[in-house]
Amino acid sequence: ETGVTQTPRHLVMGMTNKKSLKCEQHLGHNAMYWYKQSAKKPLELMFVYNFKEQTENNSVPSRFSPECPNSSHLFLHLHTLQPEDSALYLCASSQGMGSNQPQHFGDGTRLSIL
Amino acid sequence: GQQLNQSPQSMFIQEGEDVSMNCTSSSIFNTWLWYKQDPGEGPVLLIALYKAGELTSNGRLTAQFGITRKDSFLNISASIPSDVGIYFCAGQLDQGGKLIFGQGTELSVKP
Repeated sequence: ETGVTQTPRHLVMGMTNKKSLKCEQHLGHNAMYWYKQSAKKPLELMFVYNFKEQTENNSVPSRFSPECPNSSHLFLHLHTLQPEDSALYLCASSQGMGSNQPQHFGDGTRLSIL
Repeated sequence: GQQLNQSPQSMFIQEGEDVSMNCTSSSIFNTWLWYKQDPGEGPVLLIALYKAGELTSNGRLTAQFGITRKDSFLNISASIPSDVGIYFCAGQLDQGGKLIFGQGTELSVKP
């Protein structure tokens, strides 16, 4: 139990579908993150939120749309995805964004695009 | 952009052996982190390093923050089968929460 819960754990969708990934953290943290993990590549930061405000969009295509309604919840809305978007999507949280406040990860959503 | 070079990419060792892996960068970092990822799970934080030259242990794991702030190593002593997994280093420079990850070291331990 990491304190960061992601649902669903697995998702298969067609390129024309719309779906959402959910992340909830029970650690009392103020910052939340989305990462993409593809095979044989380092984790790639996608978005950063601090106190519900987006502070980083790492040149992510607009077919990925994040939402952070409060400091405990983070969503990633997906629409019109491409096969190359198949990957493990990881959510993380940290107390703040300082370099002395490490990030803690959920177990991810394994996304497959047909 | 910033990149971390993590080596080796994979290791096959006998149970009981010691393991060493490292990360290097052309840029400096203020924080080095080491994570382990098991199949089907997310990365779990093993050790966090916040000061150049710092040497920190967590059980059989020891990690050091290089004095130049451009490298870090992780040692595992007396490996056991449950040490199997992928180990990632990560560096953070500023206060913006942006972590840069290495490519990972996949560890296999033969009983």
